[in-house]
Amino acid sequence: GAGVSQSPRYKVAKRGQDVALRCDPISGHVSLFWYQQALGQGPEFLTYFQNEAQLDKSGLPSDRFFAERPEGSVSTLKIQRTQQEDSAVYLCASSSPGQGSYEQYFGPGTRLTVT
Amino acid sequence: AQSVTQLGSHVSVSEGALVLLRCNYSSSVPPYLFWYVQYPNQGLQLLLKYTSAATLVKGINGFEAEFKKSETSFHLTKPSAHMSDAAEYFCAVSDYNQGGKLIFGQGTELSVKP
Repeated sequence: GAGVSQSPRYKVAKRGQDVALRCDPISGHVSLFWYQQALGQGPEFLTYFQNEAQLDKSGLPSDRFFAERPEGSVSTLKIQRTQQEDSAVYLCASSSPGQGSYEQYFGPGTRLTVT
Repeated sequence: AQSVTQLGSHVSVSEGALVLLRCNYSSSVPPYLFWYVQYPNQGLQLLLKYTSAATLVKGINGFEAEFKKSETSFHLTKPSAHMSDAAEYFCAVSDYNQGGKLIFGQGTELSVKP
């Protein structure tokens, strides 16, 4: 496809369950970002990959959050032992810094509801 | 550290009226600035960007923004609002010294009255 895709679009998890959220970036984009958007708020940075290397994970809120991008393309954000405060929309974005503008292209997001 | 402040969490205009959404930034380096729009249950779509070229930037759907360094502002405008402009708008600054992660404002919800 031409854009960033994310799956699932909606996920309901019971408190304590583990979840895995997938992101397929635009083909050829070396940079991949994850953001968390709480209801009524702006997106907040979680983590950043350049190819397969995770260069910045300063935004991950706890050690329950883990992200990987093993082959430098698809990325997975995993949340272990989900808590109610994890309920949010998780956005993935990709970019090609070689273009010089750091413009990011966003996927539709995964809405996670923890009950 | 970089930051963005959007003044007004909600703006309401009449169809055909001027749209003005305010954004002020803080940055220790020359900023890259962006405006994104988000429709319900969708991701963010880029409206326009400033990357140190022309200070008046034109984007999609008739929107434009002017970078004013002296005022540390990057306000978004559109001369005539359309019903389809109703959405959430986010201003963001790029931390390009750290890979280009975006720091977003809190967002402004635009309502357009018929």
